[in-house]
Amino acid sequence: DTEVTQTPKHLVMGMTNKKSLKCEQHMGHRAMYWYKQKAKKPPELMFVYSYEKLSINESVPSRFSPECPNSSLLNLHLHALQPEDSALYLCASSQVSGIYGYTFGSGTRLTVV
Amino acid sequence: LAKTTQPISMDSYEGQEVNITCSHNNIATNDYITWYQQFPSQGPRFIIQGYKTKVTNEVASLFIPADRKSSTLSLPRVSLSDTAVYYCLVGDPRASKIIFGSGTRLSIRP
Repeated sequence: DTEVTQTPKHLVMGMTNKKSLKCEQHMGHRAMYWYKQKAKKPPELMFVYSYEKLSINESVPSRFSPECPNSSLLNLHLHALQPEDSALYLCASSQVSGIYGYTFGSGTRLTVV
Repeated sequence: LAKTTQPISMDSYEGQEVNITCSHNNIATNDYITWYQQFPSQGPRFIIQGYKTKVTNEVASLFIPADRKSSTLSLPRVSLSDTAVYYCLVGDPRASKIIFGSGTRLSIRP
């Protein structure tokens, strides 16, 4: 299995809702990442997990809460989002060395209404 | 992290070879050069990575001169399906923090 699977593919949520994005990989990668991508912009790094521990938080607002329950799963919990948080949320994984590049999922298209 | 400069957009035709150049004047000793391809509404896809000289795989070649201050991604005999955004990234892979530059929007015409 050489894929990163993200669910759901699309999500519409209200500003008072709580929802979660899920990411799964079975490549034995011990580094996992969340990126946010707005239309016609490059992906922006949000969080990095290494060996299931949060190693980098790029000053992301607390309404985004990451979680890494085990080496194959990565979640992003969402609460009280704003319309400007609407974007494509991408999950990626890699070997901790990063030498062979990152494998990205297809993303979750999030719309906040 | 080394800053990269790429052309905003490029156009070419099917069957042509396309070369996309990336400038990275302040590349550090431990930095690698990595290229990703992204189609609309999909995640970026790893294309190729190199440290120096030339690297080739089944889809592309990466040329890196001796001073490593620039690099060129070469796509042989492009097709319409190569229309995408191509990102050049420079950094130490072990830093666990890859930052995407602005990318090059490549359009292939029949």
